[in-house]
Order: sequence, then structure tokens, then C-alpha cells
Amino acid sequence: EAQVTQNPRYLITVTGKKLTVTCSQNMNHEYMSWYRQDPGLGLRQIYYSMNVEVTDKGDVPEGYKVSRKEKRNFPLILESPSPNQTSLYFCASSPRTLMNTEAFFGQGTRLTVV
Amino acid sequence: AQSVSQHNHHVILSEAASLELGCNYSYGGTVNLFWYVQYPGQHLQLLLKYFSGDPLVKGIKGFEAEFIKSKFSFNLRKPSVQWSDTAEYFCAAVMDSNYQLIWGAGTKLIIKP
Repeated sequence: EAQVTQNPRYLITVTGKKLTVTCSQNMNHEYMSWYRQDPGLGLRQIYYSMNVEVTDKGDVPEGYKVSRKEKRNFPLILESPSPNQTSLYFCASSPRTLMNTEAFFGQGTRLTVV
Repeated sequence: AQSVSQHNHHVILSEAASLELGCNYSYGGTVNLFWYVQYPGQHLQLLLKYFSGDPLVKGIKGFEAEFIKSKFSFNLRKPSVQWSDTAEYFCAAVMDSNYQLIWGAGTKLIIKP
């Protein structure tokens, strides 16, 4: 089954403790992206990747890192999480650019930083 | 700057009422437009999309949307809502200036039984 898989689904952590949220897709998609969803703000893009070893900042990249060493994986890294990074995170993938195609979304990761 | 705006943050309707959720985008070039739904505690699900062609698009669960280029709008409609339509609805656009998804703030829809 074609899917985007995020792990974990739920995570509670403490300020400053490094964490990684994994994202994996099995559709051989070139494009992958991370978003955070906050009440009243919709989704905002954190980072995106057009292909292996190609990543770029979105609208809210501060405090986050990503890597794209393999086509299928696009982990989101929080080196030193802070409470303002408490949010719902979504990973998405698409065959190429997002024009004239549909993005496929993971199930979401709800992160709480205390 | 390119943006997507949704007019209503909260909408409350009774079952069987008609629904129209507004969405406007600010960009003069080519756009793709989407409506997504997020049921409580669940992930995003695509309702419908517009790339080109017929400006009236039909999606899942009886939803439809009309692209009106002159008004930069892509409003979502449903003739008769059900309690199960209670969810948050997001309008999003991809513009040929940067090829990224730009999202509206979302509209929370509550249907009273």
C-alpha cells in the first residue's frame, strides 16, 4: 500500500533533549516536505526536499534540521526542543514538484515539549 | 506575498443546512487549488483538487468547489451537511512561482445534530 509513515505518532519530551521524527514513503517520490500545524495558523512549511541531498528552508525553519540521504526517508530533527515547538507535525511527499500533482500526507506526529 | 485566506474560522450549522466555505488566494499566475479535511484526531484527507479545465470540481463525500479566476476564489460547497461533516477544513494552493503548498488558516465546522 502506498503510504507516508511517520513515527512516533505522539511524543512528550523535555526542553533541550534532542529528538528525531522519522518520515518514510514507499512511492519513490522525489519531493518531501515537513509542516507544522498550529491552531488558527493552518499548516506552515518547515523544510522541503526536491531530491536526495537537496533540501531547502520553508517558512519556519528555525530550530529544526532535516536530512535526505535516501529517497524514501526525510527525518525531522530538533536538536534542542523548546516549548514553542509543541505542535502537530505532518510529513508529505509528491512525485515531483507539487504543481499538477497531489501531495500524500503522513498520519501526523503530535509533539509536546515541556 | 502569495497567500491563501479563509474567511471564517468557525462555522456552526444544523444538519441538512447548506454549506459554503470561502477561500481566496492572492496570486496572478497559474495556481493549483485544494481542499483538505481533518476529522478530530485524524490526519489530512484530500476532498478535491483543481488543476485546470472545468472550474466546477466534485470531490468525495458530496463536496464540490468552484474556481472563479476573476475573483481569485475557490469556495467549497455542500448542499446538505451531516453531523459527520464536523471537522476542520483547509484550503491550500500551489502557485507556479515557488511550487510549494500555501495553506489557509482553516475553518472549524461544527454540525449540530
